[in-house]
Parts: sequence; structure tokens; C-alpha cells
Amino acid sequence: AQRVTQPEKLLSVFKGAPVELKCNYSYSGSPELFWYVQYSRQRLQLLLRHISRESIKGFTADLNKGETSFHLKKPFAQEEDSAMYYCALSGQGNTPLVFGKGTRLSVIA
Amino acid sequence: GAVVSQHPSRVICKSGTSVKIECRSLDFQATTMFWYRQFPKKSLMLMATSNEGSKATYEQGVEKDKFLINHASLTLSTLTVTSAHPEDSSFYICSARDRKGRGGELFFGEGSRLTVL
Repeated sequence: AQRVTQPEKLLSVFKGAPVELKCNYSYSGSPELFWYVQYSRQRLQLLLRHISRESIKGFTADLNKGETSFHLKKPFAQEEDSAMYYCALSGQGNTPLVFGKGTRLSVIA
Repeated sequence: GAVVSQHPSRVICKSGTSVKIECRSLDFQATTMFWYRQFPKKSLMLMATSNEGSKATYEQGVEKDKFLINHASLTLSTLTVTSAHPEDSSFYICSARDRKGRGGELFFGEGSRLTVL
């Protein structure tokens, strides 16, 4: 069964501090992993995906197949990073995304 | 990037009435659209997969007679909440992939907040 686990509901950090949002997944095949972000009163938007291996807004995430994790990291948090972050998984083909429960990141000035 | 538009963004209705929510892909075609439901402070729950020209596939526990889905064209899917009750009040979000695009990115609509009185 496909499952995405985000253990933290809320994460508060000070501006300039490092951030790590945890995500673990369960999937029998080769999944595609994503991080989506939802800013206040805005729609969900893609932050990054594991296949592109790029850094967006200073965020990076590395897929660790051994630990089945896809943690989101940023070395120095900014106030504008405050948002709801969802880790998501997709199987092969045109399949829906399975979402974790989300982590609300609050960056304190 | 691709744009998915939902209408209406907010709707209030009386208990027992039906409400239709539209989901359009504005600049791409989507053979498949996905309908999610988001409860307050909770994650997105997949309700159903809408397939153009065929029946929708519903997730376990979702009443297909209550949540009618029609995917009439490659750019439009509709969700009709029939005989709405207060417990149907929620945030409904549709999403789609560009069938010509590569990668698994889903594009999301802005969501439709339904309040049933």
C-alpha cells in the first residue's frame, strides 16, 4: 500500500535557522516523490520533485531509498517560508498523488 | 506552468440541494483529473479519478451516487454534490496532469469551499 508519513504537524523555527521537514514513504515499486507547498489563501503548488534534483527557493530534498525518506531541507529559514508543506508520492503512470498529512512551518522573526 | 481553474470558489447551499463544481484545465488537455477533499487542518483525501469519456473511479468509502463526476471533455470535469448535508461541508480541490507533459507533476485548482446550512 502507498503511504506517506509526515511526523510533525507543526514546526517552528527562528529566522535564519536550518529547517528540516521529515517525510517517509511506503511503496512497493519505484515512486516519484514531491513536495508541495500551500501559502496562506493560495492553491497548492509544486515546490520540488525528486527526479529534477534541483533547489527551489533554497529548499532541497534527497530521496533516500534505503531509509524510504524524502526530507525537505533549507539551511536558513526565511519568514516567507511560513506555509503548509505536503510530501506526496506518485506511482507509475497517470496515477493520483498520495499526500502526507502536512507540516505547518512557522518561521519566527 | 499549466493552470487549473475551479468554479465556484465558494458556495453556500441549503441542506438537501445539489451543488455543481467545475474544474477546467485552461491551457492544456487532461484525460484524467483527480478530485480531492481537504478537511480543516488535515491532509488531502483522494475522492475519485475522473476519466474523460468514461466513468469515474471512486476511492473506497466515497459514495458515487452522492458525488457525481462527469468528465465531458479534455478540459472539463464536474463534481456534483447531490442532496447535500452539513457534513459535506468541506474544501474540494481538483487537479490534473498535462497529458502531453513529462513527469508526474499535478496542477491544482484553487479549490471550492462548500458550506451546507
